Amino acid sequence: GENVEQHPSTLSVQEGDSAVIKCTYSDSASNYFPWYKQELGKRPQLIIDIRSNVGEKKDQRIAVTLNKTAKHFSLHITETQPEDSAVYFCAARDGGTSYGKLTFGQGTILTVHP
Amino acid sequence: EAQVTQNPRYLITVTGKKLTVTCSQNMNHEYMSWYRQDPGLGLRQIYYSMNVEVTDKGDVPEGYKVSRKEKRNFPLILESPSPNQTSLYFCASSLSYPRGGVNIQYFGAGTRLSVL
Repeated sequence: GENVEQHPSTLSVQEGDSAVIKCTYSDSASNYFPWYKQELGKRPQLIIDIRSNVGEKKDQRIAVTLNKTAKHFSLHITETQPEDSAVYFCAARDGGTSYGKLTFGQGTILTVHP
Repeated sequence: EAQVTQNPRYLITVTGKKLTVTCSQNMNHEYMSWYRQDPGLGLRQIYYSMNVEVTDKGDVPEGYKVSRKEKRNFPLILESPSPNQTSLYFCASSLSYPRGGVNIQYFGAGTRLSVL
C-alpha cells in the first residue's frame, strides 16, 4: 500500500519568514495530493491540493509543488503569520485498486513566533 | 449546511465495555472513512467504505468493526475496548470519484475516547 513520509515533524519560524514542508510517497499510481491544516482542538481542513498532472499550484500565500518523477511534493507558506501556527498534514490519494483512499503523513507542527 | 457529524464528542469507558461511535454525513458522499490520531503518528486509517455495503480495512483495523447499511451513516464499533484504543477519532467523507480531478475529504469534529 501507499506510504507517505512527512518532514520535518516540527518547524519553528519567525513571523514574515517562509515555511516549507516536504512529503514523499511510494505509490506511483497516486494521483491527488491534498494538504490539511489542523488548528488546536479542531478538525483537519483542506487548505490546498494538487493533481498529478500539475506541477505547481498557488493560492495567495500558500503554494504546493509536485515532482512526480521523484515522488515528492511540498507545501510552501510565504510571509508567515501567527495564525498559520497549526499542524499540517500532507496526503496522497490512491489511484489504483483502492481508488479514493487517502494516506496521510505524520504531520508537521508549525509554530510562527511574532 | 454540509457537514459530517460524530457522536459522542467525548467518551470515557472501561476495558471490555462495547461502544459505538456514530458518524453521519448529509452530502450524499459515497466514500466514508475512520481515522485515529495519536501524537507523532498522524492520521491513521482504521476502516473505509466506498459505498453502501462495501467496506475495507485501513492501516490499523485490529479491534474495530464498521458497517455501512445506509449511505449517510458509518458507525465505528469497539466490541471490547482496550486502553491502547485511547485516542482521538475522526470520521470523514468524500465523493468516491473526483469532480474535475478534485476530491475534498470533509472531517467530523472528532471523538476523544479514553479507555480505562
